[in-house]
Amino acid sequence: QQKVQQSPESLSVPEGGMASLNCTSSDRNFQYFWWYRQHSGEGPKALMSIFSDGDKKEGRFTAHLNKASLHVSLHIRDSQPSDSALYFCAAPNYNQGKLIFGQGTKLSIKP
Amino acid sequence: DPKIIQKPKYLVAVTGSEKILICEQYLGHNAMYWYRQSAKKPLEFMFSYSYQKLMDNQTASSRFQPQSSKKNHLDLQITALKPDDSATYFCASSHRANTEVFFGKGTRLTVV
Repeated sequence: QQKVQQSPESLSVPEGGMASLNCTSSDRNFQYFWWYRQHSGEGPKALMSIFSDGDKKEGRFTAHLNKASLHVSLHIRDSQPSDSALYFCAAPNYNQGKLIFGQGTKLSIKP
Repeated sequence: DPKIIQKPKYLVAVTGSEKILICEQYLGHNAMYWYRQSAKKPLEFMFSYSYQKLMDNQTASSRFQPQSSKKNHLDLQITALKPDDSATYFCASSHRANTEVFFGKGTRLTVV
């Protein structure tokens, strides 16, 4: 049973545009979330984490968390071709110290 | 300068054979993990170790055995390989459980 669901599966955005990625959890035990990015041929790399309701901004990236609805989103403004990658939402399982990943969103930035 | 070293980068194995995937981390982390990524199940957690002790095992098969000879090493032994084991295996580490997890570049295993 997938406890972290991502949408859309793939997304194409023009260079300079805004990309919006979504993630919903079905487990209220998840208290915070991570966003990871994976470029082709590489391992995933953490972008940012979000613990509190509301927005968290880091450069061109803004995460938004709504704990009541267990929804987290990632918005990338002024998208660059280097942002083309797989993006994963992940929730930590506190008891076991593991990350539960969503199935990923493939983002393509078109020049 | 990679801080998590996985060897080999690519591996082709024959069905029924045994292989060991190597992982060393130089981040001074106390927790290490193995994850698997395939087209069918992206980024699936396999094992977690903390201070060289097994914390969690989500791998149904005993054919997968992690081996921790040193604090910064966590190798993965896979026996009786099957074509379904074909995937990219990522080693990862974190300072402790529930902190940022850092991933290696992966070992891409193909079983023929």
